Amino acid sequence: DVKVTQSSRYLVKRTGEKVFLECVQDMDHENMFWYRQDPGLGLRLIYFSYDVKMKEKGDIPEGYSVSREKKERFSLILESASTNQTSMYLCASSTRITEAFFGQGTRLTVV
Amino acid sequence: GESVGLHLPTLSVQEGDNSIINCAYSNSASDYFIWYKQESGKGPQFIIDIRSNMDKRQGQRVTVLLNKTVKHLSLQIAATQPGDSAVYFCAESPNRDDKIIFGKGTRLHILP
Repeated sequence: DVKVTQSSRYLVKRTGEKVFLECVQDMDHENMFWYRQDPGLGLRLIYFSYDVKMKEKGDIPEGYSVSREKKERFSLILESASTNQTSMYLCASSTRITEAFFGQGTRLTVV
Repeated sequence: GESVGLHLPTLSVQEGDNSIINCAYSNSASDYFIWYKQESGKGPQFIIDIRSNMDKRQGQRVTVLLNKTVKHLSLQIAATQPGDSAVYFCAESPNRDDKIIFGKGTRLHILP
């Protein structure tokens, strides 16, 4: 079974802190994605990556950056956390375009 | 611009009945349309996809229908079970990129 592991289920951070959300997949997938999920808004794409050291902006990249130094790991970085970044963050990986495998999610609260 | 939306935010269905979840999309250029299921406390899980050159595709207890004329996508679940209780997302993949754009979701509630 494909496994996508997000480093934390719950995080509480202070406004202005630099926050790292880590994601690791074990199926040698080329594609990796970061989404945020908010009530009533569904899943919105923040950043995605098709290969190591490669990244593409999604629909809401502002306030975020990403890093993909190794194929299996895709990190989401909040440069200076703000309260409007309180959300559920979901990482996913895929080899086929349509079938993405998601992690359990990280619920981030910025206070 | 691109958008994927749903007609109903919540759908209640009697156990054993068939469920039909609907979705409207706006991007005629999308090549793939997809359904995901998200159970409470879990990440979304792929159910089934359909390519834009098809009208219907069947899986295990699920059928996806695509009507390109009215830009409508539906997911039919046969003999709905308690384990089908979840939020269902339709999604699309534009043919220029390899990203997936999700709609806002419909909650399926199973009545005993």
